[in-house]
Amino acid sequence: DGGITQSPKYLFRKEGQNVTLSCEQNLNHDAMYWYRQDPGQGLRLIYYSQIVNDFQKGDIAEGYSVSREKKESFPLTVTSAQKNPTAFYLCASSIRGKYGYTFGSGTRLTVV
Amino acid sequence: KNQVEQSPQSLIILEGKNCTLQCNYTVSPFSNLRWYKQDTGRGPVSLTIMTFSENTKSNGRYTATLDADTKQSSLHITASQLSDSASYICVVTFYNAGNMLTFGGGTRLMVKP
Repeated sequence: DGGITQSPKYLFRKEGQNVTLSCEQNLNHDAMYWYRQDPGQGLRLIYYSQIVNDFQKGDIAEGYSVSREKKESFPLTVTSAQKNPTAFYLCASSIRGKYGYTFGSGTRLTVV
Repeated sequence: KNQVEQSPQSLIILEGKNCTLQCNYTVSPFSNLRWYKQDTGRGPVSLTIMTFSENTKSNGRYTATLDADTKQSSLHITASQLSDSASYICVVTFYNAGNMLTFGGGTRLMVKP
């Protein structure tokens, strides 16, 4: 079955550490996105990529980095520069110019 | 600035009752408006998607309506079930935002037996 997979489901990070969240899709979608969700707030766009080897900053990119070396994969690194990284992170993918968006099941990151 | 606002923020209803969730957006034109259901700790799942020319779309017990003149959408849930307990998110794609999504803050629905 086609889908989008995020891992791990839960992640704990010590302050000052970088961590990488995985996002893989087998839907053959061109575009991929990373969102952050905080309690009671709407999803906010961190980074997005429309094609391989290209990505753009979203509304809250500071303290995050991404890569898009393969069409199927769009990993997100939360760096030590991100001051408040504890949140629920959602990855999504879509076909460029089309309506359908598919979300992953999310990764909950907690700084300890 | 494109904005999407939802009301109420939270809602508690008894199993079997109907309810209506509201979504107002401030900027048009838009490409499409979607409603998603998000269970706790999970990713959002699409319920309905409407273009600006559509004014209603159903998916089982979920019916979304759209009034482009008043810039309002509603999601009506009929004969609620315990499994309807979730957050419901209204999402608008605005033409002037490069077809990126703008999310509402969601309505947290709890259905009690």
